[in-house]
Amino acid sequence: QVQLKESGPGLVQPSQTLSLTCTVSGFSLTSNSVHWVRQPPGKGLEWVGAIWSGGSTDYNSALKSRLSISRDTSKSQVFLKMNSLQTEDTAIYFCTRSDYGGYSEPHWFAYWGQGTLVTVSS
Amino acid sequence: DIQMTQSPSSLSVSLGDNVTFTCEASENIYGFLAWYQQKLGKAPKLLIYGATNLEDGVPTRFSGSGSWTNYSLTISSLEPEDIATYYCQNNHVYPLTFGSGTKLEIK
Repeated sequence: QVQLKESGPGLVQPSQTLSLTCTVSGFSLTSNSVHWVRQPPGKGLEWVGAIWSGGSTDYNSALKSRLSISRDTSKSQVFLKMNSLQTEDTAIYFCTRSDYGGYSEPHWFAYWGQGTLVTVSS
Repeated sequence: DIQMTQSPSSLSVSLGDNVTFTCEASENIYGFLAWYQQKLGKAPKLLIYGATNLEDGVPTRFSGSGSWTNYSLTISSLEPEDIATYYCQNNHVYPLTFGSGTKLEIK
């Protein structure tokens, strides 16, 4: 069955770089797109960015200058790197799978990881 | 960016009530609208996609409607397990955006 699981450090210091890994199973990264969504504690959901089935990426323009998403298809892993972290980046980070693989298609999310809480603090 | 406005932000309800949430997009999103249910400490759960299509396994008491900029989610005869926060999502215009959520509370 389809599964996604996020991993990474729970605590990051301000101005440092966040690195998260999403390990997937039950589907191929070359068939479906994988997206990152984050949720500050007690707040709503924010789309962070996506890696498409073909390997290209798109990012939320508000985060684009600090963000990189990549993948290793041989390991079924998707990576998120965000630099210059600030306290407002404190959030639960989810990886999630779309039914579709391409930019021009609609993207709703039936499969989610459990989420990983990232706290930005010194 | 397309703004998704959900109202109300919270709703006090009784079990057995029929409940309707609304979501207004700042631009026409052509029916590319999804609804999610999120319980405390859990990932969101997809309920509706394409504005009206029920995700597999979701109870039929959930239904979606709407077009252009105005959408709604209805729960017919509220069950205890429906107490959660509900989010709408624009799922085709980038950046993909979510509403701020409607939290259901028991009266």
